Amino acid sequence: RKEVEQDPGPFNVPEGATVAFNCTYSNSASQSFFWYRQDCRKEPKLLMSVYSSGNEDGRFTAQLNRASQYISLLIRDSKLSDSATYLCVVSYSSASKIIFGSGTRLSIRP
Amino acid sequence: NAGVTQTPKFQVLKTGQSMTLQCAQDMNHNSMYWYRQDPGMGLRLIYYSASEGTTDKGEVPNGYNVSRLNKREFSLRLESAAPSQTSVYFCASTPDREQFFGPGTRLTVL
Repeated sequence: RKEVEQDPGPFNVPEGATVAFNCTYSNSASQSFFWYRQDCRKEPKLLMSVYSSGNEDGRFTAQLNRASQYISLLIRDSKLSDSATYLCVVSYSSASKIIFGSGTRLSIRP
Repeated sequence: NAGVTQTPKFQVLKTGQSMTLQCAQDMNHNSMYWYRQDPGMGLRLIYYSASEGTTDKGEVPNGYNVSRLNKREFSLRLESAAPSQTSVYFCASTPDREQFFGPGTRLTVL
């Protein structure tokens, strides 16, 4: 079983829709959680950190559920420009323990 | 600030050839990383360097060597390239948890 698992998608939704992804992690010692965005043939870039209390950045909301060991990303009023792959990232206290999920591909159609 | 730079952007090698991928960052970060990204596999850590003068193996170090030349530069060397090393290679640096990635090197080994 992978340490960090994501539904690979693709999710194909119309512009303006709300879409949600989940990511599960297996190690309860995980300390920090992130969502990264990766455009086709580009490098990953940080979208947002995920805090225990949940956090929102414009149309994006991230939540953490430590008891069930998953994090989620909600995108409201989706735009064409949101089309990308979204990577879930889990890290521990050690500099080397940063685990990337395989990514969820999102495609927004007009 | 250029951020994280990588050279070359593309490379084609024959089996058995050697090459060095270069990475530099101008953000004064202590930690630097080398990842490879393969379809469906996510990013996998090859080697990392928590600080100048130190390097450690990640998840998939076999077939690679690294050098942390100074605080800015972290190079990845393939001594005898194999077709299994065909991949996209990303270098990253971090001040703490958020990782900043270079644009990647697309390597094909024939």
